[in-house]
Amino acid sequence: AQSVTQLGSHVSVSEGALVLLRCNYSSSVPPYLFWYVQYPNQGLQLLLKYTSAATLVKGINGFEAEFKKSETSFHLTKPSAHMRDAAEYFCAVSPSGGYQKVTFGIGTKLQVIP
Amino acid sequence: DSGVTQTPKHLITATGQRVTLRCSPRSGDLSVYWYQQSLDQGLQFLIQYYNGEERAKGNILERFSAQQFPDLHSELNLSSLELGDSALYFCASSEDNTDTQYFGPGTRLTVL
Repeated sequence: AQSVTQLGSHVSVSEGALVLLRCNYSSSVPPYLFWYVQYPNQGLQLLLKYTSAATLVKGINGFEAEFKKSETSFHLTKPSAHMRDAAEYFCAVSPSGGYQKVTFGIGTKLQVIP
Repeated sequence: DSGVTQTPKHLITATGQRVTLRCSPRSGDLSVYWYQQSLDQGLQFLIQYYNGEERAKGNILERFSAQQFPDLHSELNLSSLELGDSALYFCASSEDNTDTQYFGPGTRLTVL
């Protein structure tokens, strides 16, 4: 069984401030972890994925996430928020390296305040 | 634009009816995935096809079925519709299981 928990359904940051979106996972096998972004009225876009190669994963748009097995976490960060980062972010886990049977978190809506 | 197209964009129908959602993957992509996004259940993986064959099944109801055709487009059929089936249905494609996945803009289904 696998699941993800995203802490905070809404997060607000000021433009230029650090973005930290939290995700904890539960998996009975070594997990593959993903972060997706969904802009209003659009489909999802993959930001980054962890497939056990390196614990610090760099993604698109300046985002990165660190896999911490001891904390069962995969938090998403960005040093400096831009207005264009306002969107909904989903953490997801899969038992395989691919996208099959992915389980998504409930999502975190990021608001960026000018 | 991801290169994945979905039609129709919006669909309004009544309970008990049957609808078909269509997805055209990016050129060259062999895998197609279907997802449902609703307010109460969040985002759920429904089913995956690879080169015409079913490869993985998620939380897909028996009233729902899908197929992928020889030209690689896919259709998701939803029958005996209920109010709770109202949701956004996304299609995504990738070259294979682990390559970058691209999502379509979605079809918003409203069941009245």
